[in-house]
Amino acid sequence: AQTVTQSQPEMSVQEAETVTLSCTYDTSESNYYLFWYKQPPSRQMILVIRQEAYKQQNATENRFSVNFQKAAKSFSLKISDSQLGDTAMYFCAFMKSANFGNEKLTFGTGTRLTIIP
Amino acid sequence: DTAVSQTPKYLVTQMGNDKSIKCEQNLGHDTMYWYKQDSKKFLKIMFSYNNKELIINETVPNRFSPKSPDKAHLNLHINSLELGDSAVYFCASSEPGLAGVEETQYFGPGTRLLVL
Repeated sequence: AQTVTQSQPEMSVQEAETVTLSCTYDTSESNYYLFWYKQPPSRQMILVIRQEAYKQQNATENRFSVNFQKAAKSFSLKISDSQLGDTAMYFCAFMKSANFGNEKLTFGTGTRLTIIP
Repeated sequence: DTAVSQTPKYLVTQMGNDKSIKCEQNLGHDTMYWYKQDSKKFLKIMFSYNNKELIINETVPNRFSPKSPDKAHLNLHINSLELGDSAVYFCASSEPGLAGVEETQYFGPGTRLLVL
């Protein structure tokens, strides 16, 4: 079974600064996907970024980037130039590769990020 | 033009009642899911369906019965509601990517269920 660990329950950072959220996972699978989802106070689950394990290049989406270390089973999220709208719970999630709905997202416990004006 | 929608958004009910939550997606995806988020914000899979066929049933009590009338809809019916069922329930959907592998899951807005 897969496990996902987020060791930082809460973080806060000043607006415009850079912040890094940590995530580690445990799996015996070689093919899988990793995701970061954001849940603002509105409760909506919003995909921030995804990474395919077979890709060595770290994924980036505008101000969001990841540091994917496959051997260390680490998948951290870096938010640059943080904005007030980045205030949210952030969940790291793992999904192994399979066919046609056989797989699920396994979530970490989340990190509550607060951006301070 | 909401991608994944759920109704209702809020549901307050008495213990012992039966209630349903509806989910619809207009993304053309083949696979749909139900997740439960507890009071500590922990998210866990309950069910998945692929093209109306049950794929994952993650040791959920049989008071919970998903129903998929077509691949765009996955409803969740809950019998004999208990206090511990209070949670936020999320529907999600995804489509096959390369070689049929399920990829990114897109979530609905969630339904907050409160059992009194």
